[in-house]
Amino acid sequence: DGGITQSPKYLFRKEGQNVTLSCEQNLNHDAMYWYRQDPGQGLRLIYYSQIVNDFQKGDIAEGYSVSREKKESFPLTVTSAQKNPTAFYLCASSKPGQGNTEAFFGQGTRLTVV
Amino acid sequence: AQSVSQHNHHVILSEAASLELGCNYSYGGTVNLFWYVQYPGQHLQLLLKYFSGDPLVKGIKGFEAEFIKSKFSFNLRKPSVQWSDTAEYFCAVYLNRDDKIIFGKGTRLHILP
Repeated sequence: DGGITQSPKYLFRKEGQNVTLSCEQNLNHDAMYWYRQDPGQGLRLIYYSQIVNDFQKGDIAEGYSVSREKKESFPLTVTSAQKNPTAFYLCASSKPGQGNTEAFFGQGTRLTVV
Repeated sequence: AQSVSQHNHHVILSEAASLELGCNYSYGGTVNLFWYVQYPGQHLQLLLKYFSGDPLVKGIKGFEAEFIKSKFSFNLRKPSVQWSDTAEYFCAVYLNRDDKIIFGKGTRLHILP
């Protein structure tokens, strides 16, 4: 089945540690996105990438980093510089073009930093 | 600044009531517009979308939305809600010039049986 796979579903880390969230898609989509979902805040854009080896900061990029070495993969690293990392993280992909800009979402990763 | 505003954060209705959820965006370029729904414990799923043509679009489960370009609005409607419509609803906008999708803060809808 085509889709977006985020792993793991739940992740626990100690404060001060970097952690990397995985996102893989087999939809042959060019664009990939990372959002953070907090209660009452909706989805806030962290980083996005329209093409391999290129990505742009979203609205809340501080404390996060990404890479896009392959079309299928867009991992997100939550660094120790992120002041409030506990959240639900959603990865999405889309194939920009006429009529194709809708985003398809993974199941999300809930990160808890203790 | 680019933004999406959803006017209602929490809406409570009785079954069979009519629903309208407001969404406005701030952006000067071409857009594509979406409503997503997130049922409790489930993924985000697309409810409906507007790309071009008829500004009144119909989606799944009896939902519809109207794009009013002059008002930068894309309000979601349903004539008669059901208890199963209890969910969180997100308005989203694809910004064509910037090539990215941004979301509103969501509206939590609670339908009383």
